[in-house]
Amino acid sequence: AQSVTQLDSQVPVFEEAPVELRCNYSSSVSVYLFWYVQYPNQGLQLLLKYLSGSTLVESINGFEAEFNKSQTSFHLRKPSVHISDTAEYFCAVSAEQGAQKLVFGQGTRLTINP
Amino acid sequence: DGGITQSPKYLFRKEGQNVTLSCEQNLNHDAMYWYRQDPGQGLRLIYYSQIVNDFQKGDIAEGYSVSREKKESFPLTVTSAQKNPTAFYLCASSFSGTNPYGYTFGSGTRLTVV
Repeated sequence: AQSVTQLDSQVPVFEEAPVELRCNYSSSVSVYLFWYVQYPNQGLQLLLKYLSGSTLVESINGFEAEFNKSQTSFHLRKPSVHISDTAEYFCAVSAEQGAQKLVFGQGTRLTINP
Repeated sequence: DGGITQSPKYLFRKEGQNVTLSCEQNLNHDAMYWYRQDPGQGLRLIYYSQIVNDFQKGDIAEGYSVSREKKESFPLTVTSAQKNPTAFYLCASSFSGTNPYGYTFGSGTRLTVV
């Protein structure tokens, strides 16, 4: 079975500052990793995912995440945040093989202050 | 365009009433899921279905019921047995089996008991 730990429930940062949202996972098999974003009163949207290959993956709005197998981490980063990045972010993992459900972390609320 | 539709967006229920939340998808996904979201508690799985006419309980199924008579539809009934139904409900869908695509989420239904 897989599990996900998001180490921070809330992260406040100032606009244009860098941010890192931390995600650690546990699994005995190879996994797919995902980051989802949820804006207020909306559903979750896929932000980026790691399947295989390059360990650094990027989204279209400037976020990136790096898969670190030795540290079982998939931290999300952005070098300069904008007010519009205010949202809740969920890390998720699923096993590569078989009909496995996604396992979600508890979420990290990112608040951007002007 | 393909997607997943939840309705209504807002729903008010009186004490002792059953209510049904709708979830429809046209993505040709085999699997569908219902989650409950409360502030600070992440996503909790209520029920899921990987094939028509079959579904399984998630972590918090008590007080809820579902049906899966069509591939496209997975309605959730919140029964009077659910003692604290006020929450944000999210429906999701995915391909079954090995799934590198993650889940697609609806925009949610906010249920309030009045």
